[in-house]
Amino acid sequence: SAVISQKPSRDICQRGTSLTIQCQVDSQVTMMFWYRQQPGQSLTLIATANQGSEATYESGFVIDKFPISRPNLTFSTLTVSNMSPEDSSIYLCSVEDRKTSYEQYFGPGTRLTVT
Amino acid sequence: RKEVEQDPGPFNVPEGATVAFNCTYSNSASQSFFWYRQDCRKEPKLLMSVYSSGNEDGRFTAQLNRASQYISLLIRDSKLSDSATYLCVVNGQGGSEKLVFGKGTKLTVNP
Repeated sequence: SAVISQKPSRDICQRGTSLTIQCQVDSQVTMMFWYRQQPGQSLTLIATANQGSEATYESGFVIDKFPISRPNLTFSTLTVSNMSPEDSSIYLCSVEDRKTSYEQYFGPGTRLTVT
Repeated sequence: RKEVEQDPGPFNVPEGATVAFNCTYSNSASQSFFWYRQDCRKEPKLLMSVYSSGNEDGRFTAQLNRASQYISLLIRDSKLSDSATYLCVVNGQGGSEKLVFGKGTKLTVNP
């Protein structure tokens, strides 16, 4: 499976600021996704990062709050804008292995704390 | 009804025990089913896909019952290293790539 890295691995940020998280894959992939995992909860899909076009957001998530870039088939960024303590969470990117029917593989995650 | 529901847990079992996790899903159009495991403070890792005929991988057996919209995972001869949270995962509306995750069941295997 693809090797996925994320930067930063963790950060502590002040409310009102923004943080951009990077996701790098070691091979070209068609589908990349961004998830959030709040403390004690399971994963919630934020959006699908589409290469060359706007991301597809899930209900409850908007582009102004979570802008996403996908400039090529190996890289994507997620920005958490105008942060509040409620944004404290783990943010994970994932890629889909098209050869094996929707199996997704996850990056190590970015642990964000907003104070 | 939640899209994916799992046993609330937690499960505490001795080494060597057999433990079973159950999961139900609401979207009858779902085509792909998975079990992931997540260790504390780590990302989820794919444990196994679940196929219609059921499948086995060593000590792990997964079953799918489409009629009941039910998935199970059986762990035999549990090891200390099996301690983790097990996530039931189903693909979403209309057979899309979107995955829907259950809340997970925490398993602790005790010596």
